[in-house]
Amino acid sequence: DSGVTQTPKHLITATGQRVTLRCSPRSGDLSVYWYQQSLDQGLQFLIQYYNGEERAKGNILERFSAQQFPDLHSELNLSSLELGDSALYFCASSQGIQETQYFGPGTRLLVL
Amino acid sequence: GESVGLHLPTLSVQEGDNSIINCAYSNSASDYFIWYKQESGKGPQFIIDIRSNMDKRQGQRVTVLLNKTVKHLSLQIAATQPGDSAVYFCAESMNSGYSTLTFGKGTMLLVSP
Repeated sequence: DSGVTQTPKHLITATGQRVTLRCSPRSGDLSVYWYQQSLDQGLQFLIQYYNGEERAKGNILERFSAQQFPDLHSELNLSSLELGDSALYFCASSQGIQETQYFGPGTRLLVL
Repeated sequence: GESVGLHLPTLSVQEGDNSIINCAYSNSASDYFIWYKQESGKGPQFIIDIRSNMDKRQGQRVTVLLNKTVKHLSLQIAATQPGDSAVYFCAESMNSGYSTLTFGKGTMLLVSP
């Protein structure tokens, strides 16, 4: 167990809908990262927050957004969902910006 | 852009054998490398990392080798066990880890008892 928690574990929804994925980092970690893992694209970095502020952006679609709250948990919002958004979404956390990232168990999203 | 590459092979070994998983990276500016293990239904788990000022680093039953000349990274697992069966990813970063991680596509390791 990495200490990073993610909810929900599974999510099934329809195209055009909006969902919110939640992540709680390890105790004491200030950085939160979001990744998407699909069969054809592998593990892709989406976005990073550090102590509430956006730190880095990767291959994140405009339909996706995220935030980190004062208690350091983070949410990833996915809107106008498409079939191709079906994937595993992982959150990771680290103490600072440079330290090792520890991954949560992921949320499996299925868009029908 | 440049990215870490694994050609998604499957490596099958017998329990007790030593396993070697390889990774080729193409970004010569990368100076920090990590190996992760992902078991079915779980998130990636940190195994070991290495910085570009080193060419070898050892952990418990694992050794990472870095050859900057040919941009090659390998993970050696000694006395492989069935519990080592998983997908292994290498990842790279620049600026000593201050930039984001780029992951390779993974190698499946299957260990037979």
